[in-house]
Amino acid sequence: EVQLVESGGGLVQPGGSLRLSCAASGFTFSSYWIHWVRQAPGKGLMWVSRINSDESSTSYADSVKGRFTISRDNAKNTLYLQMNSLRAEDTAVYYCAREVLRSSGSYYFDSWGQGTLVTVSS
Amino acid sequence: QSALTQPASVSGSPGQSITISCTGTSSDVGGYNYVSWYQQHPGKAPKLMIYDVNNRPSGVSNRFSGSKSGNTASLTISGLQAEDEADYYCSSYASSSPYVFGTGTRVTVL
Repeated sequence: EVQLVESGGGLVQPGGSLRLSCAASGFTFSSYWIHWVRQAPGKGLMWVSRINSDESSTSYADSVKGRFTISRDNAKNTLYLQMNSLRAEDTAVYYCAREVLRSSGSYYFDSWGQGTLVTVSS
Repeated sequence: QSALTQPASVSGSPGQSITISCTGTSSDVGGYNYVSWYQQHPGKAPKLMIYDVNNRPSGVSNRFSGSKSGNTASLTISGLQAEDEADYYCSSYASSSPYVFGTGTRVTVL
């Protein structure tokens, strides 16, 4: 069974840092591109960042570019999101999501974690 | 990249059919056949319901169907059931960023 389990969320002050983790199991982690998607309280989904299978390529939403860094450790089957210079507007549930295999020629998220809540407040 | 436009809410009685629209541009919905739909119950993670405009993953009821015309995609739920009450989000591959999501639609079963 495919599983994605996020951790690392919590309360942080504006300007602070936090590192989220997403532990994967039940599939060949190193074969898949993985994304972070967030959802502010009562709001919709917003794509945040993605990393390709061998970590050679990353991409970020404009709102987090320069502040967030996505990375992965394929030996540990784990995805990370380092979040620096956090702002109140970064408050959200952060989900990791697996993108369908690139070889399929399609683009969608076929598995999601349960999410971890990040609250930025003084 | 602006969010795709969805109606805030749609409602229907059990057994009825409802349709949720998702309007984008030629740079996302209109430009690619990579529209997907996700169902999200309160406090839960999103669940894939439709991919590539009109394909259902294994295990998703055939009461859910998708379509697209120009820059607007649609999700239809037929034979509405109480368990269908949830938030629904469309998503599309986009030229300017890998993915863009819709604003979300709350489906209420009357």
